[in-house]
Amino acid sequence: EAGVAQSPRYKIIEKRQSVAFWCNPISGHATLYWYQQILGQGPKLLIQFQNNGVVDDSQLPKDRFSAERLKGVDSTLKIQPAKLEDSAVYLCASSLVAGGYNSPLHFGNGTRLTVT
Amino acid sequence: GQNIDQPTEMTATEGAIVQINCTYQTSGFNGLFWYQQHAGEAPTFLSYNVLDGLEEKGRFSSFLSRSKGYSYLLLKELQMKDSASYLCAVRPFGGATNKLIFGTGTLLAVQP
Repeated sequence: EAGVAQSPRYKIIEKRQSVAFWCNPISGHATLYWYQQILGQGPKLLIQFQNNGVVDDSQLPKDRFSAERLKGVDSTLKIQPAKLEDSAVYLCASSLVAGGYNSPLHFGNGTRLTVT
Repeated sequence: GQNIDQPTEMTATEGAIVQINCTYQTSGFNGLFWYQQHAGEAPTFLSYNVLDGLEEKGRFSSFLSRSKGYSYLLLKELQMKDSASYLCAVRPFGGATNKLIFGTGTLLAVQP
């Protein structure tokens, strides 16, 4: 099966600019996650969708970050305006069944964002 | 609160055995996952434990003790390609909020 697709692979922007990332989950996966991974750290959850509804966005900096999952498939994550500390890899993941405790997350290759 | 601790770095020799430890304190527990992440790549799923004991998958095994909040990943017959970061992650909640909370990862360097 095709994996989680993300684009772009790399992005370099200046602070205060805006940027958007795109994710296409594995077909049939109802749950989609956006994680932020700063160099040398583990991934940190930004937002979780179940179909097209938000389940958890408690750690999303809502003053500058937004995300949507129209039609419950593809998702976009936007940062506006970007700050230097937003430099990180943004990982999208999907899982098959919410509530299936042993259901692993499947990750895409991520978008590496550098803010200068 | 949630807290997951792993050693930052480890070094081991090709052909040897290495054990990567993980301790956790979370508000709930619905399983512990281990992921492997090569530099610049996506984390890939290795193992899942929800009951106490050892789960074996080829060269990789994972152990869980829920009463101690402790897990380890055991890698046998180390190969150079095993050089990677190993992430311990806990699923605190069930239902729709089935997110994973990750530790900082252990960077393993396998030397010839």
